[in-house]
Amino acid sequence: EVQLVESGGGLVQPGWSLRLSCAASGFSFHDSVMHWVRQAPGKGLEWVSGIIWTNGDVGFADFAKGRFTISRDTAKNSLFLQMNSLRPEDTALYYCAKGGDTSGYFFEHWGQGTLVTVSS
Amino acid sequence: SYVLTQPPSVSVAPGQTARITCGRNNIGSKSVHWYQQKPGQAPLLVIYYDTDRPSGIPERFSGSNSGNTATLTISGVEAGDEADYYCQVWDSTSDHPPYVFGTGTKVTVL
Repeated sequence: EVQLVESGGGLVQPGWSLRLSCAASGFSFHDSVMHWVRQAPGKGLEWVSGIIWTNGDVGFADFAKGRFTISRDTAKNSLFLQMNSLRPEDTALYYCAKGGDTSGYFFEHWGQGTLVTVSS
Repeated sequence: SYVLTQPPSVSVAPGQTARITCGRNNIGSKSVHWYQQKPGQAPLLVIYYDTDRPSGIPERFSGSNSGNTATLTISGVEAGDEADYYCQVWDSTSDHPPYVFGTGTKVTVL
């Protein structure tokens, strides 16, 4: 059974940093693409970033470029999102998601999310 | 900007058919994926590559994609189908993020 468990969310002030983690299990990471997707309160889904597990290639949404970093620990099967210079508009539930098949073009499995609140 | 347009809401009586559209110029040339999200829960993949159903998703859920509109169809709607539904595409052209979600549709079972 695929399990994705996020942690690291919390309440921070604008300009602060936060590091989210996702512990993953139950599937082969070979050829996997892992993602972060967020959802602001009462709003829709928004892709944040993704990483190809085997070679570490990454991609980011424009709002994340230069502020967020995605990484993984292959030994611990963990995914991370380092978020710097946080803004109130970054307030959202952040989901870890496993990309579907080897393409990663869709989101096959989702964690339950970790809430990030940016407020003074 | 790259927008996938969905109707904000769809209402349907139990046992009837709900159709949720996802519109964009020439979306038929892309693969469309659909997610169900119930209140307080994470999204759940219900259709991928336009028409494929993941294991465990009832046959009542089906998809189609042609021209400017992709459609998620829920046949024989049940109370448990009440949720928000999102379409999603992957598009590698450079002027937008590669993963784009639709605006979302709230399905209400009357």
